[in-house]
Amino acid sequence: NAGVTQTPKFRILKIGQSMTLQCTQDMNHNYMYWYRQDPGMGLKLIYYSVGAGITDKGEVPNGYNVSRSTTEDFPLRLLSAAPSQTSVYFCASSYVSGGVYEQFFGPGTRLTVL
Amino acid sequence: AQRVTQPEKLLSVFKGAPVELKCNYSYSGSPELFWYVQYSRQRLQLLLRHISRESIKGFTADLNKGETSFHLKKPFAQEEDSAMYYCALGRYYKLSFGAGTTVTVRA
Repeated sequence: NAGVTQTPKFRILKIGQSMTLQCTQDMNHNYMYWYRQDPGMGLKLIYYSVGAGITDKGEVPNGYNVSRSTTEDFPLRLLSAAPSQTSVYFCASSYVSGGVYEQFFGPGTRLTVL
Repeated sequence: AQRVTQPEKLLSVFKGAPVELKCNYSYSGSPELFWYVQYSRQRLQLLLRHISRESIKGFTADLNKGETSFHLKKPFAQEEDSAMYYCALGRYYKLSFGAGTTVTVRA
C-alpha cells in the first residue's frame, strides 16, 4: 500500500493564481483531512471530510475549497493565491474503529506564493 | 476552544539521559490526547495515544487531568529519538496540534 500520496511535492505560485493540491489514499479510510503548517507553528486544520460527498470547514478554511467525490481522493483548491498561503500542506486519512482512530499523513506539499 | 501548548521549541539531551517533553492542554470535555513524531525525511506518524496506556520505543505519557498535562517521557534517550514531536488533542476525530518540540540527542 502506498498509504497517503500528495502531489506536487513543491510548487511556486504567483499572487492571484489558483491551483489544486492532490491527495489520494488507498487504505479505504472514510475520514480525510487537510492541514497547513507555517514555520514554527503546529498543524492547523483547513478542511476535513467524513466520507464521500461530505466535507466541512476546519480552523482556517478561508481561501480554500475542497470536494470529496470518491473515498480515495480529497483535492484541496487554492482559489486565488496570496503570500499568506505560503506553507507546507499535509493531507491525512484516518480509520475509526470503536472510537479509536489514528491519522496517517502524506509527505506534504511545500507551497510558496510570490 | 481547545488548545495545546508545548512550551519548549528545542530540547537537547545527551544519549542515555532522561528526556521529558511537556504538553499542556485546555479543553472542557474528556480529552483524547496523542503524541505524533516526525523523524528526519519521514512522514508525521503516531507515537502513542493516552487511551492505550502503552509504551512505544521506550516512551510513555501520562494524562494528568488535574494539571491538564500529557507529558512525554523516556528514561534513557537514544540518538534515534532525535526528531520533531507534536502533542495533539482529539475531538470528534479531528486533531488540534501543539507547535512541536525539536529533540536532539547528542552522543
